Amino acid sequence: EAGVVQSPRYKIIEKKQPVAFWCNPISGHNTLYWYLQNLGQGPELLIRYENEEAVDDSQLPKDRFSAERLKGVDSTLKIQPAELGDSAVYLCASSFDGYRGNEQFFGPGTRLTVL
Amino acid sequence: AQTVTQSQPEMSVQEAETVTLSCTYDTSESNYYLFWYKQPPSRQMILVIRQEAYKQQNATENRFSVNFQKAAKSFSLKISDSQLGDTAMYFCAFMKLYPGGNTGKLIFGQGTTLQVKP
Repeated sequence: EAGVVQSPRYKIIEKKQPVAFWCNPISGHNTLYWYLQNLGQGPELLIRYENEEAVDDSQLPKDRFSAERLKGVDSTLKIQPAELGDSAVYLCASSFDGYRGNEQFFGPGTRLTVL
Repeated sequence: AQTVTQSQPEMSVQEAETVTLSCTYDTSESNYYLFWYKQPPSRQMILVIRQEAYKQQNATENRFSVNFQKAAKSFSLKISDSQLGDTAMYFCAFMKLYPGGNTGKLIFGQGTTLQVKP
C-alpha cells in the first residue's frame, strides 16, 4: 500500500513569491491534515479536512495561506505571498475515521526555504 | 488548552542498553489518546506506540513500552535493547477527540533527539 505522497520534497523561493504544496493521501483515507513543523519543534496543525470539507482551519493564517481538497482526495496548500518566517517543513497526514484514536499517517514533508 | 512537555531535548544511549524518554501533558479532558512518534532524518513521522487514556494497562510494542500515569499526567517511553536504527527525534503527542467524532487533533511536544551509540 502506498503511503502519503507529497511534492515537492524541497522548494526554495524568494520572499513575496507564491508557492504551492501537493499531497495525495492513502487511498480510502477520508481525513487529511496539513501540519507546519518549524526547525527543532513538533508539528502544529494548520488545517484538517473531512472528505472535501475543511472542518478545522483555526490555525491557518488566512491572509496568506489557502488550502483546497477537491473531490475529497488530494489536497493543495498555497502560500501567497511567502515571507521569510514561512521557512519550515510542511507535513501532510491522513487517517481513516473508522475507529477511535486512529493513527495519522504522515508523508515525508516539503521543506520550504524562503530567501 | 492542552500542552505537551518533553523536558529532555537530547539523550544518548549505548547500543543494546535501555533508555527512557519523558513526557508530561496538561489537560482537563477525561478521554484522550497519547502517542509516541519517531522522526528519523528522512523526516517521515512514524507511529511508535499508542495509549488510550481509559486503559490502565500500559501499551507495549516489541522493544517499546510506556509508563502511563494518568493522575500525574505522565507518559514516558522506554526503549529496550536500543538499536542504531532507533536514532531519531521522538515526539510525544496528545490527541483530544473532536466532539462526536472518532479522530482528533494531535498536539505535539517539542521532541527529544535520541542518539544510539555503537
